[in-house]
Amino acid sequence: AQSVAQPEDQVNVAEGNPLTVKCTYSVSGNPYLFWYVQYPNRGLQFLLKYITGDNLVKGSYGFEAEFNKSQTSFHLKKPSALVSDSALYFCAVRDIRGNNRLAFGKGNQVVVIP
Amino acid sequence: EAGVAQSPRYKIIEKRQSVAFWCNPISGHATLYWYQQILGQGPKLLIQFQNNGVVDDSQLPKDRFSAERLKGVDSTLKIQPAKLEDSAVYLCASSSTVYEQYFGPGTRLTVT
Repeated sequence: AQSVAQPEDQVNVAEGNPLTVKCTYSVSGNPYLFWYVQYPNRGLQFLLKYITGDNLVKGSYGFEAEFNKSQTSFHLKKPSALVSDSALYFCAVRDIRGNNRLAFGKGNQVVVIP
Repeated sequence: EAGVAQSPRYKIIEKRQSVAFWCNPISGHATLYWYQQILGQGPKLLIQFQNNGVVDDSQLPKDRFSAERLKGVDSTLKIQPAKLEDSAVYLCASSSTVYEQYFGPGTRLTVT
């Protein structure tokens, strides 16, 4: 079955500095990869996805992610973090040749320090 | 367009009581999902509907959880009887493709 690992519980970064949230995945076939963000008392909001094509994908609010097949990673990045980026970030993978279920990681709390 | 609607937003019940959650997906979205998100964990799929048919309910505890989507639009998720470990946020999502899913705000359930 597909799975996602988000190794860090919390990521602290100073405002204006680059932000990276790590994600590695495991699937039996080709993955569909996603990043979602969750603000307090809100549902998950879609940020970006990798389906096929360019390994670097750009998404909402200035976020981007790089698909690395050899390292089975899909790290989320933002060149300059804002205080408003403080939230819970989830990586998810879908195994389209398996059960087609979306499997989420445990999430990373990002804290951007003013 | 309007997003996924869920109600209630919060619910507190005692163990062994029953509870029901309601979801209205984005108009035109054929696929509807119910997820359980326990504190400190990512969402876990409970059940997936395609129109009014069940596609995947392999992770639904069927001895106490049930869900229906009778007319292929709104859906309800029921827990009967509730246990302490059912305390979680229950998220509904919908999609029109196999790509991104759109999530509602969730219902936070506390079982005491």
